[in-house]
Amino acid sequence: QSALTQPASVSGSPGQSITISCTGTSSDVGGYNYVAWYQQYPGKAPKLMIYDVSKRPSGVSNRFSGSKSGNTASLTISGLQAEDEADYYCSSYTSSSTYVFGTGTKVTVL
Amino acid sequence: QLQLQESGPGLVKPSETLSLTCTVSGGSISSSSYYWGWIRQPPGKGLEWIGSIYYSGSTYYNPSLKSRVTISVDTSKNQFSLKLSSVTSADTAMYYCARQRSAGKGAFDLWGQGTMVTVSS
Repeated sequence: QSALTQPASVSGSPGQSITISCTGTSSDVGGYNYVAWYQQYPGKAPKLMIYDVSKRPSGVSNRFSGSKSGNTASLTISGLQAEDEADYYCSSYTSSSTYVFGTGTKVTVL
Repeated sequence: QLQLQESGPGLVKPSETLSLTCTVSGGSISSSSYYWGWIRQPPGKGLEWIGSIYYSGSTYYNPSLKSRVTISVDTSKNQFSLKLSSVTSADTAMYYCARQRSAGKGAFDLWGQGTMVTVSS
């Protein structure tokens, strides 16, 4: 199975909004509402930020939001803060009854 | 509060079998609706799903690793385990265990801290 495609890096200034894309196929992202997003700091375990395309776990800031259109999912971070600088990964369930992660995106706060 | 903790050897020789255990505390591994999974991350690289298991023993694996992977569960100890056979340097990675929502289709919502495994003679 192939990893979902994400941009290698995205950057923005404090207070701005940025969007990270996650492109798959109709067999994964486009076929199911099981898209999730994770935040990972260096040397730390990933943390779930968004699940089921657009739902936020308790305790996650409402500055993080998720959406999907066709085979592409997106994570938007609004009001960008220095603490948002991290790696972000998307993931999806697939039609082969497997699970796949994205290639990862490094977010830099300028 | 549910917690997961990985344990096992940090160094494995090439061609041998990597064995890790994840201990679940603060809750039961036999909870309905949740699967339990293993994910790895080679140094400087992205996340790779290895496989997931239900407390009943039902499993599903990454096709690229399926021939070498076995995931099992011990409900009496509230643990699940990973075995990866015939390891090479390409299996050197941080290995995480995690809880998976939505009957194995959903996100991994709780993660262990991870354990680094190096494959080297």
